Amino acid sequence: NAGVTQTPKFQVLKTGQSMTLQCAQDMNHNSMYWYRQDPGMGLRLIYYSASEGTTDKGEVPNGYNVSRLNKREFSLRLESAAPSQTSVYFCASSEFATAPGGNQPQHFGDGTRLSIL
Amino acid sequence: QKEVEQNSGPLSVPEGAIASLNCTYSDRGSQSFFWYRQYSGKSPELIMFIYSNGDKEDGRFTAQLNKASQYVSLLIRDSQPSDSATYLCAVADYKLSFGAGTTVTVRA
Repeated sequence: NAGVTQTPKFQVLKTGQSMTLQCAQDMNHNSMYWYRQDPGMGLRLIYYSASEGTTDKGEVPNGYNVSRLNKREFSLRLESAAPSQTSVYFCASSEFATAPGGNQPQHFGDGTRLSIL
Repeated sequence: QKEVEQNSGPLSVPEGAIASLNCTYSDRGSQSFFWYRQYSGKSPELIMFIYSNGDKEDGRFTAQLNKASQYVSLLIRDSQPSDSATYLCAVADYKLSFGAGTTVTVRA
């Protein structure tokens, strides 16, 4: 039972490069989320998808784009990476969300540790 | 003012003692409250959620919610070295907001 799977687990980029972080869940959840976690700042919501076919901005969307490919998959793209985007990125899913955070417990993937030089 | 405030710690407790973690939040409309445990280098893991005022117990964990005071807490009874982790408080209404976490160290 994989839950939420993120790839890659680690990545080093140069400033200006682009990349896509992949996320897939096998729990038949409707809602998916992308967070970044920086020391001393907790988890901050980048983008979310309340249901298949919809995406919305979270707290810190600048510099990112997302695609909800289908019910299982939600990807995060950095078009032109900047050092300020060095962080740990977590994907999460929940059964249903009436709002970005909703009132459903969220289940997290193992994270992607991204360094931008 | 941050929406969800937690003491960063570290909170050091002896094995077998009670660890008490506190969380305050600013949005009076918040409806759902969660506690996540995060081991170093790992992802957050949900350990408790509470929606109503009062206490909710699950094994050695008790969550306490006081909406009037905008306060939610987590008690860990009979603390074990395996409880050493960072505990994240999360509060939801329109969106889910996380505190920065409290680091707990249980010393044997």
